[in-house]
Amino acid sequence: NAGVTQTPKFQVLKTGQSMTLQCAQDMNHEYMSWYRQDPGMGLRLIHYSVGAGITDQGEVPNGYNVSRSTTEDFPLRLLSAAPSQTSVYFCASSRDRSNYGYTFGSGTRLTVV
Amino acid sequence: RKEVEQDPGPFNVPEGATVAFNCTYSNSASQSFFWYRQDCRKEPKLLMSVYSSGNEDGRFTAQLNRASQYISLLIRDSKLSDSATYLCVVNIPEWRTGTASKLTFGTGTRLQVTL
Repeated sequence: NAGVTQTPKFQVLKTGQSMTLQCAQDMNHEYMSWYRQDPGMGLRLIHYSVGAGITDQGEVPNGYNVSRSTTEDFPLRLLSAAPSQTSVYFCASSRDRSNYGYTFGSGTRLTVV
Repeated sequence: RKEVEQDPGPFNVPEGATVAFNCTYSNSASQSFFWYRQDCRKEPKLLMSVYSSGNEDGRFTAQLNRASQYISLLIRDSKLSDSATYLCVVNIPEWRTGTASKLTFGTGTRLQVTL
């Protein structure tokens, strides 16, 4: 099993550019989420989805959009990149949102210049 | 006050030592608890769940103290390969939406095991 696959692994954007971070899982997990990790801040939830067609905001949603058209895919869109969005982004999936451990993708290191 | 708090360390211990980490959480209604391990520049990986009665997985022992709202992780006979950051994870009831709770991650405790 591939688990959770994230692409790209690295990305450099210019301020104002948009892009989509891809996330796919092959475990038939209902719950998927996006986190960003910054030094000293820990993992912070951006957006999450409890199933296809259902998404909701986490604690730091501004500047990001998500959609969940299938169980497998959960892309994260940066609408207009800002230097404050320089971070490491992790996608995670789980059988449900609270009682089971999460499986994380390998991360995307994003730099906005 | 942070919802999940951990001592950032680093904890520097010699190989073979026993080391313990604590983590405190603020919401007494939390029901699920986990320890994750994160290697440098890698994704977090689930190490173990934490159960009320305490649980052991090889050299790792996790304990939960609901009255004091803290979780601990004990590593016996430390190996060089145990060097990593250990993340405490707690589910926090989400009253804003009235839906189920979500997992909240601590900032992690860094462990360095040396020869």
